[in-house]
Amino acid sequence: DAMVIQNPRYQVTQFGKPVTLSCSQTLNHNVMYWYQQKSSQAPKLLFHYYDKDFNNEADTPDNFQSRRPNTSFCFLDIRSPGLGDAAMYLCATSRGNSREQYFGPGTRLTVT
Amino acid sequence: GESVGLHLPTLSVQEGDNSIINCAYSNSASDYFIWYKQESGKGPQFIIDIRSNMDKRQGQRVTVLLNKTVKHLSLQIAATQPGDSAVYFCAEAITGGGNKLTFGTGTQLKVEL
Repeated sequence: DAMVIQNPRYQVTQFGKPVTLSCSQTLNHNVMYWYQQKSSQAPKLLFHYYDKDFNNEADTPDNFQSRRPNTSFCFLDIRSPGLGDAAMYLCATSRGNSREQYFGPGTRLTVT
Repeated sequence: GESVGLHLPTLSVQEGDNSIINCAYSNSASDYFIWYKQESGKGPQFIIDIRSNMDKRQGQRVTVLLNKTVKHLSLQIAATQPGDSAVYFCAEAITGGGNKLTFGTGTQLKVEL
């Protein structure tokens, strides 16, 4: 089945230690998104790629970076995780100008 | 049971009853709305969507109603089942906003047996 895959599902990192979360998709969608979702809150868009074009949200901290080496993969890099970065990180995809987004299962990040 | 998503984050209903989850939006430029269901520890799952040129759309056991006059959106779930227990988010997209969705606060639906 075509899907959005996120690895790992659970990630524990130390305060200040760089961490990378990965997302892959078999939907062949050209748009990929990263969201941060804290407990009992709505997903908050960090950035998205439309094809190779990177679109950063104005309030996304510089600590968060992203890479998209090809259509199928997208990475979220947190350069120096703080305790406040503990959250669920969701990857989503969409096709062309469609606003319907398909979400992966998320990676739950714990910062110790 | 009926809720206003922004002011009553938890809705409890009896199994078999109909559920109504409400969402208010503020941007009159929003032209597309979508409901997602998110179960604990999982990513949001698409339920149903509606464009601003419609006021009602039906799916399997679900109906979305859109009232643009008062900027209000609702999700009705018929014959609510235990498997419907989850957090429900509405999201909106604005004309000219590209593919971006803005999510509402969310409502926790609890189905009691």
